[in-house]
Amino acid sequence: DSGVTQTPKHLITATGQRVTLRCSPRSGDLSVYWYQQSLDQGLQFLIQYYNGEERAKGNILERFSAQQFPDLHSELNLSSLELGDSALYFCASSAEGPISYNEQFFGPGTRLTVL
Amino acid sequence: AQRVTQPEKLLSVFKGAPVELKCNYSYSGSPELFWYVQYSRQRLQLLLRHISRESIKGFTADLNKGETSFHLKKPFAQEEDSAMYYCALSDNAGNMLTFGGGTRLMVKP
Repeated sequence: DSGVTQTPKHLITATGQRVTLRCSPRSGDLSVYWYQQSLDQGLQFLIQYYNGEERAKGNILERFSAQQFPDLHSELNLSSLELGDSALYFCASSAEGPISYNEQFFGPGTRLTVL
Repeated sequence: AQRVTQPEKLLSVFKGAPVELKCNYSYSGSPELFWYVQYSRQRLQLLLRHISRESIKGFTADLNKGETSFHLKKPFAQEEDSAMYYCALSDNAGNMLTFGGGTRLMVKP
């Protein structure tokens, strides 16, 4: 599969814990985006990285952080987890950026459940 | 701040009936608008974008700047169109996508 991949598919953890979600972009894509999808907030943009550098920030909590590594994969770190962090976390990648819009290709998502 | 509104959470139609999924936006600049679709157990994928002005799977969408709308239309719905549809807007810098709340389309036989 040459599309965007995300691991793990499901994650169940307890409040107060820390987790790391991983995303591998499509081959050649330099931009990676993270989105959170929850029942009450819908699909919300969290953060974008382009070729290892942070490019745009959305509604990302201070407890959350992300990075993009030299091989272009990205990780989203969620700490001090709360019940309200339970959501589907999507990663997307695009070919170019950050100047003009290019189609974002989405991964299958990681479902996080905080108990 | 940019905002996308999809007023209908659920739209149910019979096969062969016309479909219109509504999308309104709020944006101070010149928007780029998109429709994304998520079929059951599949990932989110781009359906169409306003700048390409094309028809995909029989769907079209026209940007109406006066009404700040980007409604998605199809003259004759098919059962395989049943899915979750999201309207999205991109900022001038081409970074983030702002999504609407989504509309679930159910096409009944």
